[in-house]
Amino acid sequence: AQKITQTQPGMFVQEKEAVTLDCTYDTSDQSYGLFWYKQPSSGEMIFLIYQGSYDEQNATEGRYSLNFQKARKSANLVISASQLGDSAMYFCAMREASGGSYIPTFGRGTSLIVHP
Amino acid sequence: DGGITQSPKYLFRKEGQNVTLSCEQNLNHDAMYWYRQDPGQGLRLIYYSQIVNDFQKGDIAEGYSVSREKKESFPLTVTSAQKNPTAFYLCASSINQRAYEQYFGPGTRLTVT
Repeated sequence: AQKITQTQPGMFVQEKEAVTLDCTYDTSDQSYGLFWYKQPSSGEMIFLIYQGSYDEQNATEGRYSLNFQKARKSANLVISASQLGDSAMYFCAMREASGGSYIPTFGRGTSLIVHP
Repeated sequence: DGGITQSPKYLFRKEGQNVTLSCEQNLNHDAMYWYRQDPGQGLRLIYYSQIVNDFQKGDIAEGYSVSREKKESFPLTVTSAQKNPTAFYLCASSINQRAYEQYFGPGTRLTVT
């Protein structure tokens, strides 16, 4: 079974509007972390935001916020006031504490296109 | 300027040849990682290293080899045993393995014909 599921292969949004990118995860661990990365066409992965499983507040970083719903095992990324430069691939990832490796597992990604 | 460098950006090889991808970091990070990315896929872990002279296999290590002789360098060799080597390869590092933020290099796109 996939540990990270991103069901939206592609999303479109108008500039200045908000957009939500979906991510669901599967784990039996109590302690885990959830990440979002951005990958522009240049290829480099850029860290956006992190949420720990014990964090009670949703993580926010500037225009990015992570809508963490633990019971539903969902960790959606919300981008407010979209900009043309937000057009990129977005990857959700999770790492689990069990096993001790702390290596994240990545989803297949969502392509976001921001229209002017 | 601290960061991770990968060279070259594009690499072309003939089938049957071994090829080594370079990854260097000047962030003084202990942990380093190699990922492979195929079209429409997320990143898959090839190898990782927590410390100099130590490395562990990831999910898809077959046909690849690494070394970690220096803290700042973690080269990846794609051997002729790798059945489908054409892909985008990303190197990353983190302060240590428990740190949640990984810093990525710009990637190397390898094409084998």
